[in-house]
Amino acid sequence: EVQLVESGGGLVRPGGSLRLSCAASGFSFKTYSMNWVRQAPGKGLEWVSSISSTSSFIYYADSVKGRFTISRDNAKNSLYLQLDSLSVGDTALYYCARRVVPRLGGSALLGGGVDHWGQGTLVTVSS
Amino acid sequence: QPVLTQSSSASASLGSSVKLTCTLSSGLRTYVIAWHQQQPGKAPRFLMNVEDSGSYNRGSGVPDRFSGSSSGADRYLTISNVQSEDEAEYYCETWDSKGIFGTGTKLTVL
Repeated sequence: EVQLVESGGGLVRPGGSLRLSCAASGFSFKTYSMNWVRQAPGKGLEWVSSISSTSSFIYYADSVKGRFTISRDNAKNSLYLQLDSLSVGDTALYYCARRVVPRLGGSALLGGGVDHWGQGTLVTVSS
Repeated sequence: QPVLTQSSSASASLGSSVKLTCTLSSGLRTYVIAWHQQQPGKAPRFLMNVEDSGSYNRGSGVPDRFSGSSSGADRYLTISNVQSEDEAEYYCETWDSKGIFGTGTKLTVL
């Protein structure tokens, strides 16, 4: 069974930092791209960042570029998100999610998304 | 700016069927989308992928009351025999060198 367990959330002052972790199990972590997705209170889902299986490709939403850093340790089956220069607008539930590339036969298709979600870890930025 | 457009709300009577729509912007018309369900107070749950051909693949444990289809730039999620537990927010998602989520459709079960 695929399991994704986030940790590291908490209350932090504006300008502060946090490091989120996601422990993966039940699948070959090293072969999948991974995402962080967040959800502010009462709002919809917002993609934050993605990292390819070997960390060769990394992507960020414009809203977090230059402040957040995604990384992974395939030996530890773990995904990380370093959050720096936090602001009130970063307050959200942060989800770790496994991304899959849709395929037809042996060919990759365009698009697709995540196929498993963690339970989330809450980040609250407040003075 | 690539976007996914969803209606903000929908309703269905218990036992009826409902069809939710996700419309891809022009540059994404052939893209595969994922449908996710988020029940109140819970994490999102992956339901299925839907291809532009109309083929769909349900996630593990997703009831066969949930099905997908496609027409042009529209991707659909149909829920048959609607149950009370289907009352939730439904999001579509795709990937284009960044993650793209629709704004979600809140389904109310009457």
